[in-house]
Amino acid sequence: NAGVTQTPKFRILKIGQSMTLQCAQDMNHNYMYWYRQDPGMGLKLIYYSVGAGITDKGEVPNGYNVSRSTTEDFPLRLELAAPSQTSVYFCASSYSGSVSYEQYFGPGTRLTVT
Amino acid sequence: AQKITQTQPGMFVQEKEAVTLDCTYDTSDQSYGLFWYKQPSSGEMIFLIYQGSYDEQNATEGRYSLNFQKARKSANLVISASQLGDSAMYFCAMREKSGGGADGLTFGKGTHLIIQP
Repeated sequence: NAGVTQTPKFRILKIGQSMTLQCAQDMNHNYMYWYRQDPGMGLKLIYYSVGAGITDKGEVPNGYNVSRSTTEDFPLRLELAAPSQTSVYFCASSYSGSVSYEQYFGPGTRLTVT
Repeated sequence: AQKITQTQPGMFVQEKEAVTLDCTYDTSDQSYGLFWYKQPSSGEMIFLIYQGSYDEQNATEGRYSLNFQKARKSANLVISASQLGDSAMYFCAMREKSGGGADGLTFGKGTHLIIQP
């Protein structure tokens, strides 16, 4: 199993550009999440999904959109990139049947907006 | 109010010593979970240990143990016999029941642990 994969690993965007961060998991997890981590800080939840077709906002959703058409994929869309979106983005997944709902994280995407 | 508080921004510890990383939390839920993650300089998030709010015993995983004091809302991570490879950022995180586990984790700001030879 590859676990949670994210592409790209790094990206530089100009202000106002758009892009999609890709996330896929092969563990058949029903829950998926997007977090951002700003320098020197913990992770903050952007969006989450409890299954295909169902998404909801987390703590910091402004400037982002998500979709979940399959169990495996959970892309994050940035529209009109701003310098405040410079961050490291982590995708994670978990299984609702586990006791702890332990989240498995992808390797992250480092995004710079200039 | 912060939901997860980690009061030690940085710690220096001698190799082979035990180290305790502090974490306090704030929730009104009766059912919740507490996690510790390690983030080495390479950036990935590595799950270390989990404690459920109804678990009566403190969780242990190898050299890691979680000192859970429910009345004090404290969930400190204890690393026994520290190693150079333990140098990393450590994050305490909480899952609350309100979202049935789906709402995601709330993270503290982390503690940067440096193990010295």
